[in-house]
Amino acid sequence: NAGVTQTPKFQVLKTGQSMTLQCAQDMNHEYMSWYRQDPGMGLRLIHYSVGAGITDQGEVPNGYNVSRSTTEDFPLRLLSAAPSQTSVYFCASTQAGSNQPQHFGDGTRLSIL
Amino acid sequence: RKEVEQDPGPFNVPEGATVAFNCTYSNSASQSFFWYRQDCRKEPKLLMSVYSSGNEDGRFTAQLNRASQYISLLIRDSKLSDSATYLCVVNPLTQGGSEKLVFGKGTKLTVNP
Repeated sequence: NAGVTQTPKFQVLKTGQSMTLQCAQDMNHEYMSWYRQDPGMGLRLIHYSVGAGITDQGEVPNGYNVSRSTTEDFPLRLLSAAPSQTSVYFCASTQAGSNQPQHFGDGTRLSIL
Repeated sequence: RKEVEQDPGPFNVPEGATVAFNCTYSNSASQSFFWYRQDCRKEPKLLMSVYSSGNEDGRFTAQLNRASQYISLLIRDSKLSDSATYLCVVNPLTQGGSEKLVFGKGTKLTVNP
């Protein structure tokens, strides 16, 4: 019962580097989302997907790309890391239907120097 | 008015106390509501969904007032293990799924021995 798996759990990058945060779910959920959580800001939606091949922007998409080639995977790419992207990143998935809660991964703690 | 607003606290209560958290939301068309719990440096986890008629799960009671756009969470007989941050979560979509949940910033609760 893995649920939502995020890798890596911790990462330190230098400004300008690129990297991909991985997210995989084994619950056959249609919907997947990426959030960032900063102190005093709460969770903010970066990008989301309602199914394979479909992605859309959330509240804070700048500096990030996503793709959804399979139902299971939803990677988040930082194109050119900036210190403002230092944050905790959570991936979540949910079944179709408005009353379904989201299930979260453990998070990735990312520091940009 | 922010989409979802919560009193940030912190709330410090003794074991056995009853504590209530409130949350307001701005989108009157929002259709589903949740309370999540987040422990320090962990992922958010669903505590309970909130139904129009109000619902109870053991020591926890959630209520929704659509007319006032207000959600509440009541915790009775507080335990040390209830110490966490409680997130009010709203699905603003009038159709579709839960891919764009809006999270409040959370209310921090500390239960003291």
